[in-house]
Amino acid sequence: DAKTTQPNSMESNEEEPVHLPCNHSTISGTDYIHWYRQLPSQGPEYVIHGLTSNVNNRMASLAIAEDRKSSTLILHRATLRDAAVYYCILRGLNSGNTPLVFGKGTRLSVIA
Amino acid sequence: EAGVTQSPTHLIKTRGQQVTLRCSPISGHTSVYWYQQALGLGLQFLLWYDEGEERNRGNFPPRFSGRQFPNYSSELNVNALELEDSALYLCASSLGYQPQHFGDGTRLSIL
Repeated sequence: DAKTTQPNSMESNEEEPVHLPCNHSTISGTDYIHWYRQLPSQGPEYVIHGLTSNVNNRMASLAIAEDRKSSTLILHRATLRDAAVYYCILRGLNSGNTPLVFGKGTRLSVIA
Repeated sequence: EAGVTQSPTHLIKTRGQQVTLRCSPISGHTSVYWYQQALGLGLQFLLWYDEGEERNRGNFPPRFSGRQFPNYSSELNVNALELEDSALYLCASSLGYQPQHFGDGTRLSIL
């Protein structure tokens, strides 16, 4: 699975939108972009994934650049509960159910 | 639907001892993964079981081993414990190409 680059940390005010960037300049045409997050004292949880088009679900939105070399996870209104480490992970189409490769992720702090 | 459950939640052992950690996957999930999250080292893949077989292992010594039972639950065994084995051990499960679901882990402390 190709490598991703994320900022070490970010800070947001509560109820403001948060844009978490991820660079993946070596992404291949069949790599999916996955996001997981890990809240304090919990295991990681799946957030969202996409291939080319922007994706929305109840947790977040994923905006994917046209050249697919970068993507942004968008939390529309940050809450204190969103404080976590966010991981951007590339998964090849043929990765199937192989293990995830985690980088260091971005630690998001939310200020009340 | 019950999530991935792990036991015990916390464990304290001494160097040289052996430990067994347990994981029950989400009902219907056939793949189980073990990850280690040591302080400062991030999440590292340990072992992957699918349909009762070991499919892959990460860069860990042979004293880390495990198995998957016919009901798809899994055990992780660590022999000859060392201080650097102190970590959070996370289990995840999935079915096919679906996202992985994680338990909240077992915190292992080695004295």
